[in-house]
Amino acid sequence: DAGVIQSPRHEVTEMGQEVTLRCKPISGHNSLFWYRQTMMRGLELLIYFNNNVPIDDSGMPEDRFSAKMPNASFSTLKIQPSEPRDSAVYFCASGADNEQFFGPGTRLTVL
Amino acid sequence: AQTVTQSQPEMSVQEAETVTLSCTYDTSESNYYLFWYKQPPSRQMILVIRQEAYKQQNATENRFSVNFQKAAKSFSLKISDSQLGDTAMYFCAFMKHSGGSNYKLTFGKGTLLTVNP
Repeated sequence: DAGVIQSPRHEVTEMGQEVTLRCKPISGHNSLFWYRQTMMRGLELLIYFNNNVPIDDSGMPEDRFSAKMPNASFSTLKIQPSEPRDSAVYFCASGADNEQFFGPGTRLTVL
Repeated sequence: AQTVTQSQPEMSVQEAETVTLSCTYDTSESNYYLFWYKQPPSRQMILVIRQEAYKQQNATENRFSVNFQKAAKSFSLKISDSQLGDTAMYFCAFMKHSGGSNYKLTFGKGTLLTVNP
């Protein structure tokens, strides 16, 4: 298995631009999580899905953030418009049997 | 809400020695899971070990073992025969049990472990 796949690995954009992060979970896993890692706040959950249905989006900072999971093999996290404070590493994790496996992360820099 | 506390921001150990990383947590849940994740400089999050709260036996994975004290809400990680490749940030994490589905992870702030040659 290829593990969790995230793209892009690095993204540099300017304030106000739209950013879309992508994730392909491990085949057969029924849960997908989006986490954000910053120096100030550490690792925090943004949103997660079970069987493609959003369960908890209380960690989504504000309306500028949105996430979708149209099918079991794909999810997106979109930021529109992006701001410098959104700069962070964004992880997607795939879960089954009470374990979560992380993708390599996307390092986002908003100038 | 659950909280996870790692009181040691940084630690160092000599190669081949043993080191213990501390973690405490707070929860009102009776059934849950605890994890240690390793994040090397590559920033990849790697699952090191998992402990189910209903199991009294401490989990082990090769050189990694835990000391799980449920009453004290303590979950420490012991690394034996430390290797240079163990240099990384280590995160303790909590997940409540949620039937057949997964639940979110709550992480501690992490402990940066440096293994010196």
